[in-house]
Amino acid sequence: QVQLVQSGAEVKKPGASVKVSCKGSGYTFTGYQMHWVRQAPGQGLEWMGMINPGGGRINYAQRFQGRFFVTSDTSTSTLYMELSSLSSEDTAVYYCARAHCSGAGCYQFQYWGQGTLVTVSS
Amino acid sequence: QSALSQPASVSGSPGQSITISCTGTSSDVGGYDHVSWYQQHPGKAPKLIIFEVINRPSGISNRFSGSKSGNTASLTISGLQADDEADYYCSSFTVSSTLVIFGGGTKLTVL
Repeated sequence: QVQLVQSGAEVKKPGASVKVSCKGSGYTFTGYQMHWVRQAPGQGLEWMGMINPGGGRINYAQRFQGRFFVTSDTSTSTLYMELSSLSSEDTAVYYCARAHCSGAGCYQFQYWGQGTLVTVSS
Repeated sequence: QSALSQPASVSGSPGQSITISCTGTSSDVGGYDHVSWYQQHPGKAPKLIIFEVINRPSGISNRFSGSKSGNTASLTISGLQADDEADYYCSSFTVSSTLVIFGGGTKLTVL
């Protein structure tokens, strides 16, 4: 069965960077777009960016451009996200999600990781 | 990029039907059929329940249905059950580098 297992919780100081991993199993890793979505405490979902591990296509939400990067390691079926210049506003649960692709597109997320809490505090 | 607009809360009694709206613009909801809905229980990851406006993933109950008219998409849950109590989010493709935007979420209370 499809599983996405994320790395554990992180506590970072303002100005630091954080890197979160997401290991996929139970499917062909290079065959599906992977996305990152975050959720601040008590708030809604926010799309951050995506990567196509099989083809290298990458897109980032405008508000994160320049400090958010997504990479993938196909040899280990692992997705990574790195967010730099952290502030308290970046405190959130970060989810990786695998897109469900139809003939029309890949803008829906059928499988999700368990989430990784990143806390930014001095 | 503004979030899609959803009511903050809706409620209904067991067995009843409720509808949650999701309003965007012609650049997202109104212009494309890439509207999805997610159910999220507290402390859990979101769960895809509707994609491409009207489609249900395998295993999702037919009590959940989606529709769209103009710039507004809707999720209808019929035969409300206690376990339906959760937060519901819509999302849509949008024409910008921010490919996907979400609604602010709607808390469903089953009375």
